[in-house]
Amino acid sequence: NAGVMQNPRHLVRRRGQEARLRCSPMKGHSHVYWYRQLPEEGLKFMVYLQKENIIDESGMPKERFSAEFPKEGPSILRIQQVVRGDSAAYFCASSDSGNTIYFGEGSWLTVV
Amino acid sequence: AQSVAQPEDQVKVAEGNPLTVKCTYSVSGNPYLFWYVQYPNRGLQFLLKYITGDNLVKGSYGFEAEFNKSQTSFHLKKPSALVSDSALYFCAVRGYSGAGSYQLTFGKGTKLSVIP
Repeated sequence: NAGVMQNPRHLVRRRGQEARLRCSPMKGHSHVYWYRQLPEEGLKFMVYLQKENIIDESGMPKERFSAEFPKEGPSILRIQQVVRGDSAAYFCASSDSGNTIYFGEGSWLTVV
Repeated sequence: AQSVAQPEDQVKVAEGNPLTVKCTYSVSGNPYLFWYVQYPNRGLQFLLKYITGDNLVKGSYGFEAEFNKSQTSFHLKKPSALVSDSALYFCAVRGYSGAGSYQLTFGKGTKLSVIP
């Protein structure tokens, strides 16, 4: 009974590079969410997707950040031209049509 | 907009003693409330939720939470703490994002330390 799978667990990027974070939802789940956790802060909602559709991206920064959940394959959170302030833990979560969302183990991005 | 307050950054309790981690919330409409636990460098694990029904909700690992509508609180409790309960605990409320969907808003977390 695999949970939400995220990779890579840890990623180091130099300023200006691109970061791609992948997420496979739990089996049977068609709703995917991305959250960001900055040091000493709680989680902040970024984006909510269903297959091939972005439902709500109200928490996404307006520039450099994008997300997709294609018909086949994992959801991808893409950060272009990373800056030091992007260093954070990025958590993916998934749900079925119910109220509870289940989180993955996170991807820790460090920008040097 | 909805919000969650966890008034204590840190809670320390002796092993075997009861523990309480406090949470208050603000949301329009009926509240959907959640508790998650996070161990170091790990993801969030779902503990329990309140949607409707009994004010006392039972969850994983012996945790329970009491919903109090008049005080807009949803405190997490456990009768007898274990050292292995030491972790970061997050309270969350489901609310309208303003952009067409309902999302979780989290508190800043409470670090629980159980002293042997």
